[in-house]
Amino acid sequence: KQEVTQIPAALSVPEGENLVLNCSFTDSAIYNLQWFRQDPGKGLTSLLLIQSSQREQTSGRLNASLDKSSGRSTLYIAASQPGDSATYLCANDDYNNNDMRFGAGTRLTVKP
Amino acid sequence: DTAVSQTPKYLVTQMGNDKSIKCEQNLGHDTMYWYKQDSKKFLKIMFSYNNKELIINETVPNRFSPKSPDKAHLNLHINSLELGDSAVYFCASSQDLATTSGANVLTFGAGSRLTVL
Repeated sequence: KQEVTQIPAALSVPEGENLVLNCSFTDSAIYNLQWFRQDPGKGLTSLLLIQSSQREQTSGRLNASLDKSSGRSTLYIAASQPGDSATYLCANDDYNNNDMRFGAGTRLTVKP
Repeated sequence: DTAVSQTPKYLVTQMGNDKSIKCEQNLGHDTMYWYKQDSKKFLKIMFSYNNKELIINETVPNRFSPKSPDKAHLNLHINSLELGDSAVYFCASSQDLATTSGANVLTFGAGSRLTVL
């Protein structure tokens, strides 16, 4: 059964730093991998989706990569801002199980 | 306009009661889901429906019963509430099933925080 792991569980950085969030998964039979942002008391917002045939996707200061063979994805955030503070979750669209499997998330705090 | 809306946003109730959470999406999506987020923030799928048909039913107590009157609505009814049911429940929708698309972006509702006393 697909398991999704995110490291670190929490991260605190000063404003302006570049940072990387990690996501690993056990079953490479996926259609895609998504990164979400969750703000306290709110729902999830989809940030980036990488299809299984792609290696990376970029949106503004965010860049997500996917290496299916090693079961890894990273989310790179450039020039972090306090407004980036949130929990970031990765999830993959697992066609063996026909659902999405989420990691536990990385709680990011960007200090001014 | 809200794409996926859940009601109520907050629900506080006593053990043993029966309650419902409603979800509606106006995106024209075919698939809807219920996820439970526990105290450790881990999201677990509970149910998914595609065109009103139950697709996924994870190991969830049968006190939980989803109902999809049409493909734009997926309601969650919970009988005989227990303390362990306290969590945030998220509704989501996507255009279609994972097996039919490689670009299956999920849109989430804002969540419904259930507290059982």
